[in-house]
Amino acid sequence: QLQLQESGPGLVKPSETLSLTCTVSGGSISSSSYYWGWIRQPPGKGLEWIGSIYYSGSTYYNPSLKSRVTISVDTSKNQFSLKLSSVTAADTAVYYCARQFGYQLPHWGQGTLVTVSS
Amino acid sequence: DIQMTQSPSSLSASVGDRVTITCQASQDISNYLNWYQQKPGKAPKLLIYDASNLETGVPSRFSGSGSGTDFTFTISSLQPEDIATYYCQQYDNLPQVFTFGPGTKVDIK
Repeated sequence: QLQLQESGPGLVKPSETLSLTCTVSGGSISSSSYYWGWIRQPPGKGLEWIGSIYYSGSTYYNPSLKSRVTISVDTSKNQFSLKLSSVTAADTAVYYCARQFGYQLPHWGQGTLVTVSS
Repeated sequence: DIQMTQSPSSLSASVGDRVTITCQASQDISNYLNWYQQKPGKAPKLLIYDASNLETGVPSRFSGSGSGTDFTFTISSLQPEDIATYYCQQYDNLPQVFTFGPGTKVDIK
């Protein structure tokens, strides 16, 4: 059974870089059928797609975040990662990783809260 | 960029009621529209894909319809376990972007 698990610091200082990793189990990140994505949700607010990556390293990002986002993949570890630079309090959110099939998001991790504060 | 609107933003209904949520896209998105259910403290769950297809394992009281710019999500008989926020989501190919609607919070009256 596919499982995705987010990990990383729960607290990041303003202007620093947020780094999270999603570990995939029960399936291969190198499958040709899927992209892998990051989505976030500020407390009490809606969902915002951040970006997606293919196992080959091909990426596409939300234009509103593109200048600050880098998503990478490590097929040897069955992981993909998110880096968001120059964070502010507005980046405080629950961050989810997900497996993407076409333009659907049928499998999600449980999410991890990242707070930006000094 | 394609914008998504949902209405209502919240609703309160009785167990057994028929509940309808609408989602409107700012331009034609064909049937590239999905619906998710999110319960408090949980990740979203895909319920409906391609506007009207029920995801495997999802109860048949959930349904979706529409194409182009106007879409509808229906719960035919509201159950206590359906208390959640429901989001529509579209995919735009140029540029490649996923966009979620603002959500509809469903409560029991």
